[in-house]
Amino acid sequence: EPEVTQTPSHQVTQMGQEVILRCVPISNHLYFYWYRQILGQKVEFLVSFYNNEISEKSEIFDDQFSVERPDGSNFTLKIRSTKLEDSAMYFCASSPGGTTGANVLTFGAGSRLTVL
Amino acid sequence: AQSVAQPEDQVNVAEGNPLTVKCTYSVSGNPYLFWYVQYPNRGLQFLLKYITGDNLVKGSYGFEAEFNKSQTSFHLKKPSALVSDSALYFCAVRDSRGSTLGRLYFGRGTQLTVWP
Repeated sequence: EPEVTQTPSHQVTQMGQEVILRCVPISNHLYFYWYRQILGQKVEFLVSFYNNEISEKSEIFDDQFSVERPDGSNFTLKIRSTKLEDSAMYFCASSPGGTTGANVLTFGAGSRLTVL
Repeated sequence: AQSVAQPEDQVNVAEGNPLTVKCTYSVSGNPYLFWYVQYPNRGLQFLLKYITGDNLVKGSYGFEAEFNKSQTSFHLKKPSALVSDSALYFCAVRDSRGSTLGRLYFGRGTQLTVWP
């Protein structure tokens, strides 16, 4: 069964450093997403990406964050100047094309980011 | 505003007994409802969804969920629990009138433990 793969599984960084989280979505999917879950809190939407541009972003996704699809397979989340409160599990997801909101998202296992 | 509530952080049930994991939701329009399950060190795995039609939907691993519009609920059920069902369960909702096909609103998750 096709999977969404994420690297690294765990990253520890110092406050103020830049972090790049990587994802390989399912190959024939057209929509890509990042979600995050701070420990003990809900899984929250960050951003969706379609046709090489952001289609929607939440209020969390400010100028500190950026996404990119640098080639045909990878989808990255960059976090600049990390803060303690950026510590969370970051989930990448992808879904097929189409106009129905019934599309099912397939999630990766997550990248745990710890900011010290 | 869209939101999901999972009122129980933990549900414990004996193997062979029926299980219920509760979920209530709030959306402006008609809801698209989803259940995901997360096993340790794995991504969120899709279990089932309600889009329209029959209020009782059946999903993977013998799980089912009942959509109740008047109570704005979408409880997850299984007639006979297995130890292997022990995992973290997430309910999620998307507004059918939402601008983004993938923006899901998640509950906090319910840890299900099935003891032998």
